[in-house]
Amino acid sequence: QKEVEQDPGPLSVPEGAIVSLNCTYSNSAFQYFMWYRQYSRKGPELLMYTYSSGNKEDGRFTAQVDKSSKYISLFIRDSQPSDSATYLCASLRNTDKLIFGTGTRLQVFP
Amino acid sequence: SQTIHQWPATLVQPVGSPLSLECTVEGTSNPNLYWYRQAAGRGLQLLFYSVGIGQISSEVPQNLSASRPQDRQFILSSKKLLLSDSGFYLCAWRPGTGVKGLAGTYEQYFGPGTRLTVT
Repeated sequence: QKEVEQDPGPLSVPEGAIVSLNCTYSNSAFQYFMWYRQYSRKGPELLMYTYSSGNKEDGRFTAQVDKSSKYISLFIRDSQPSDSATYLCASLRNTDKLIFGTGTRLQVFP
Repeated sequence: SQTIHQWPATLVQPVGSPLSLECTVEGTSNPNLYWYRQAAGRGLQLLFYSVGIGQISSEVPQNLSASRPQDRQFILSSKKLLLSDSGFYLCAWRPGTGVKGLAGTYEQYFGPGTRLTVT
């Protein structure tokens, strides 16, 4: 079983839709969670960073962690074509080891 | 502000040739540095990380090696490339021990990447 699992998609939504991206993880010791956005042929860009359970909001983005079900989510409100990218979730195994999901490709069409 | 550079951006090398990829970070000191490889459909795989000059930890046995000759410079090398070494190589950094990061303590920031094709 992979430590962090993510549906590869692609997920295709119309502009303005609310997008829900999800990951599950297997290690109950994980406490730090991150979401990265990666445009084609570019390096990943850190979007959100959360610790333990709960929600964190930043503009149109909300990160949610449910430790009881080992589920992490990223919500994008009012999605834009510029949000089209691959979204990577990651959990911190220890201070120097991030475990990444394989990424979900999102397409937002006008 | 901090900036991370990688070069070259693209590289095509024959099997058996040597490799040297370079990563430098500006605007910070004593960062932790990382090399990842990203293959299609397989996510990011941590190859090496370094917490200081000359200190290298290897995550995956392979024919690659890493070195950190200066505080903000990280180099990925190989003496003889294999076809399986093709991929997208990413360098990343995070604030070192005791330094408060921009969004926390353990977040990692990635460079633009080097796309390597071994022919």
